[in-house]
Amino acid sequence: DTEVTQTPKHLVMGMTNKKSLKCEQHMGHRAMYWYKQKAKKPPELMFVYSYEKLSINESVPSRFSPECPNSSLLNLHLHALQPEDSALYLCASSQRQGRNYGYTFGSGTRLTVV
Amino acid sequence: GIQVEQSPPDLILQEGANSTLRCNFSDSVNNLQWFHQNPWGQLINLFYIPSGTKQNGRLSATTVATERYSLLYISSSQTTDSGVYFCAVGNQGGKLIFGQGTELSVKP
Repeated sequence: DTEVTQTPKHLVMGMTNKKSLKCEQHMGHRAMYWYKQKAKKPPELMFVYSYEKLSINESVPSRFSPECPNSSLLNLHLHALQPEDSALYLCASSQRQGRNYGYTFGSGTRLTVV
Repeated sequence: GIQVEQSPPDLILQEGANSTLRCNFSDSVNNLQWFHQNPWGQLINLFYIPSGTKQNGRLSATTVATERYSLLYISSSQTTDSGVYFCAVGNQGGKLIFGQGTELSVKP
């Protein structure tokens, strides 16, 4: 298995809703990432998990809450989002955290906040 | 931090044409990747190429690390090659820093 699987593919949520995005990989990778991508822009890093521990938080608002329950699974819990949070959310993994490893990305969750 | 610049920003080709996309980076790197983002948003890893040359079918890439640039060659382009091509460089913490992308449109 050489894939990163993200669910759901599309999500529409109200500003008072709570929802979660899910990311799964079975490549034995020990680093997992959340990126956010706005239209016509490159992806921007949100969080990095290394060996199931949060390693980097790029000053992301607390309405985004990541969780890594095990080495294969990464969640992003969403609460009280704003319309400007509408974007493509991409999950990625790499063998380890560090500059010497290639990334594999999932197909993303397209989030619309209404 | 590392700066990544891609050129050209946009490119329109007729099917069957060849093209070269360029990525310049501001510091020495151990991790450089080329991605293709299709119209549905999926980022597909084309090459992991911190140095040297690699080929995969109609695509090839060359990175000259000492001169801080990488090139992506697309030969005999097809309409399915359309999308955005990103170059990304990894820093010490494992963060991928992306260029602004080249948006390629291949016309039939």
